[in-house]
Amino acid sequence: EIVMTQSPATLSVSPGERATLSCRASQSVSINLDWYQKKPGQAPRLLIYGASTRATGIPARFSGSGSGTEFTLTISSLQSEDFAVYYCQQYNNWPPTFGGGTKVEIK
Amino acid sequence: EVQLVESGGGLVQPGGSLRLSCAASGFTFSSYWMHWVRQAPGKGLVWVSRITSDGSSTSYADSVKGRFTISRDNAKNTLYLQMNSLRAEDTAVYYCARDLMGYTGSDTFDYWGQGTLVTVSS
Repeated sequence: EIVMTQSPATLSVSPGERATLSCRASQSVSINLDWYQKKPGQAPRLLIYGASTRATGIPARFSGSGSGTEFTLTISSLQSEDFAVYYCQQYNNWPPTFGGGTKVEIK
Repeated sequence: EVQLVESGGGLVQPGGSLRLSCAASGFTFSSYWMHWVRQAPGKGLVWVSRITSDGSSTSYADSVKGRFTISRDNAKNTLYLQMNSLRAEDTAVYYCARDLMGYTGSDTFDYWGQGTLVTVSS
């Protein structure tokens, strides 16, 4: 199965600053890559699918890029509600697999 | 508004069984593939199982194959996960999730429930 590796494990950012999260696949997944946001006690929320397409209702400050094995989620100006854990997930190969997550915390 | 509400979690002894349900509303349930995804305490998300819109095809993670069975009742707008021979490592919050692409499936999950906690312990 494809292994997804996210870095860093924790990212400390001040509100209003830019956050850049990375996701690497153990083999090419083309652009079949999603990003999810997860807060404690809440359901995961789809942010980005197809590597760069924002899901319904997702603010423009969230953007995704990349293809093949290297992907990036950028949050252009962090809001208080953006502090959470972010997961990437590939769906190019079965089974679908998630990365270990990046926790974005307040600096 | 799309809503997915899981139920059926609880404490069960190793080797025991549990049946999870996921009640769906706000969309045409019979038109969508559905999935179960779990998250063990302090760990990441792990895909568990999926079922096609008409229930004719199912898939499972290797870790649960032969022990878990996914099913659905489109007349009742409900998804199920029958879990047998439960192990301590099955302890997790179990989420049901809708597939983004409806009939064709994509393994992208656009709506999720709040989850139900399953604890396997003696």
